[in-house]
Amino acid sequence: DAGVIQSPRHEVTEMGQEVTLRCKPISGHNSLFWYRQTMMRGLELLIYFNNNVPIDDSGMPEDRFSAKMPNASFSTLKIQPSEPRDSAVYFCASSVRVLNYGYTFGSGTRLTVV
Amino acid sequence: AQKITQTQPGMFVQEKEAVTLDCTYDTSDPSYGLFWYKQPSSGEMIFLIYQGSYDQQNATEGRYSLNFQKARKSANLVISASQLGDSAMYFCAMRINTPLVFGKGTRLSVIA
Repeated sequence: DAGVIQSPRHEVTEMGQEVTLRCKPISGHNSLFWYRQTMMRGLELLIYFNNNVPIDDSGMPEDRFSAKMPNASFSTLKIQPSEPRDSAVYFCASSVRVLNYGYTFGSGTRLTVV
Repeated sequence: AQKITQTQPGMFVQEKEAVTLDCTYDTSDPSYGLFWYKQPSSGEMIFLIYQGSYDQQNATEGRYSLNFQKARKSANLVISASQLGDSAMYFCAMRINTPLVFGKGTRLSVIA
């Protein structure tokens, strides 16, 4: 199993540009999560999906952020337009909907907005 | 609302010694799961150990053990025989019928 695959690993973009982060979850996992990690705020849940359906997006900072999961094997997190304060590491994780099942995290995307 | 607290921003331990990383949690739900993750400097999140709220025994995984004290709502991670490779951030997390909620983490530094 290749694990959760995120791309790109690093992204540097200019303020105002659109950024798209990608995630491929583990096959068979029916829950997918997007987290953001910063020094100040730690690990924050942005949005999560069950069976490709968005369940809770209350963690999405503002309308500039959007996420989709068109099928069970792919999800995107888009920021448009990007701002310097969006600079962070964005993690995608997948799991099954069982209480004692942990999450498998991708390697993360380090986003820098200049 | 559920809450995870890690009160130690940083810890130092001598190589080959044991170390305990503290974690307290708050929930009114009787059914929950507690997790510990390790994040080395390379950035990936690595699952270490799991404890269920109904588990009678403390979880163990190799050199990792979880000191679960349900009445005190604590789930401390114990690392025995520390190694230089244990230097990392360690996160405690809790899951109910919701996504994992993480504590702020503890940075562990192992000294040779």
